[in-house]
This record gives sequence, structure tokens and C-alpha cells, in this order.
Amino acid sequence: DAKTTQPPSMDCAEGRAANLPCNHSTISGNEYVYWYRQIHSQGPQYIIHGLKNNETNEMASLIITEDRKSSTLILPHATLRDTAVYYCIVRVYNNAGNMLTFGGGTRLMVKP
Amino acid sequence: DAGVIQSPRHEVTEMGQEVTLRCKPISGHNSLFWYRQTMMRGLELLIYFNNNVPIDDSGMPEDRFSAKMPNASFSTLKIQPSEPRDSAVYFCASSLTFGLGENEQFFGPGTRLTVL
Repeated sequence: DAKTTQPPSMDCAEGRAANLPCNHSTISGNEYVYWYRQIHSQGPQYIIHGLKNNETNEMASLIITEDRKSSTLILPHATLRDTAVYYCIVRVYNNAGNMLTFGGGTRLMVKP
Repeated sequence: DAGVIQSPRHEVTEMGQEVTLRCKPISGHNSLFWYRQTMMRGLELLIYFNNNVPIDDSGMPEDRFSAKMPNASFSTLKIQPSEPRDSAVYFCASSLTFGLGENEQFFGPGTRLTVL
């Protein structure tokens, strides 16, 4: 799986949009971008994933650049409960395996 | 659904003792994963089962670690003998894997293991 690079930490004001970047310059054509988050003392939680097109669900939006070498997770209206470590993961989407390789992630602190 | 269930939530043991961690995946899921998380190494995949069969155990640190999945609703991770460096939070996750279909992983609350 391609390696990802994320800033170690970010701050965001409550109610504002949180934009979390991820670089994956060595991504292959069949690799998807996944985002998970881990709130303190809990297990990781799936947020969203995408291949080429931008994706949106009830939790967040995922913007993938045209060359697919980077992406941004957007939490449109961050709340204090969004304070967590956010992991960007790039992996092949197939039936041979479903393994996730977690990096260091970005520690997002949402402040009042 | 109750989600992925792990037990115990906390375990404190002495070096050399056997430790068994338990996991009940979400009903209907056919893939199960064991992860370990430490401050130094982050979140690491230890082993992965699909349809109760171990698919990849390359992350298991050494022979002291073993994992079983006797049926679709239960898995164990055993450490024998345990060592202080095994202290970590152990997570179990499950997913429904089919062809090229959606396979989001659902994580349990974790077991915090302390080996003295």
C-alpha cells in the first residue's frame, strides 16, 4: 500500500470547517483513499473513502486532487466531539484482503 | 446490533503469565482483525481472518502470540508467556468482505493490557 503523509496536529475553532490534508504521491491507479478517526480511548471509526471522485456522506467530505497525489478530508462544521486523531490510509480495494496500515495520523483539536 | 464486543476491557497480569483476549465480531461479518496499539509503534495489524481462516499473520510479533477463530462469532488472541513489552491496547475489528464490495471495518472498544 502507498505511504501517506499527514501533519501531526491541527487546531480548528468550533463551528468552523476542519480541512485535514493528506499526501499520497506514490498512490497507484487501483488504490483507494480511506479515512478513519480515533477518539481518545476508543477504537478507530470509519469516516469515508474514495477513488477518484469527490465523496460526501453524513460525516464528512473527501476531496481528491485530479492527479490523486493528495486529498483533503473536510468536516464542514467541527464540534468539540470531533477532537480525535484522523488517519489517512491508502489501500487496494479487492477481495484478497482488507488490511489497513495506519500511520501516525493528524491529531485534530477542536477548540471552543 | 451491539457492535464488536471485547473482553476483558482491562487486564493486569504479571510477566510470564498466560493472557487470553476475547472478541465477538458483529453478526454476519466474515472478516476479523486483531490490532495492537502502543505509543511507540502506533496501531499495528497483528492477524486477519476471513471466514474463520487465518489469511495473514505476518504482524504477529513472535511465537508467544497465537490467535484462533473456532467459529464465526468468536476469536481469541493468546499471549504465553506474557512480557512487559506486550503492554498495549489490543483492538478487534470485523467487516463484511465480499468480492469488491464495501468492507468498512468496525472496531471494538479494545482491551488495555498491562504486564508487570
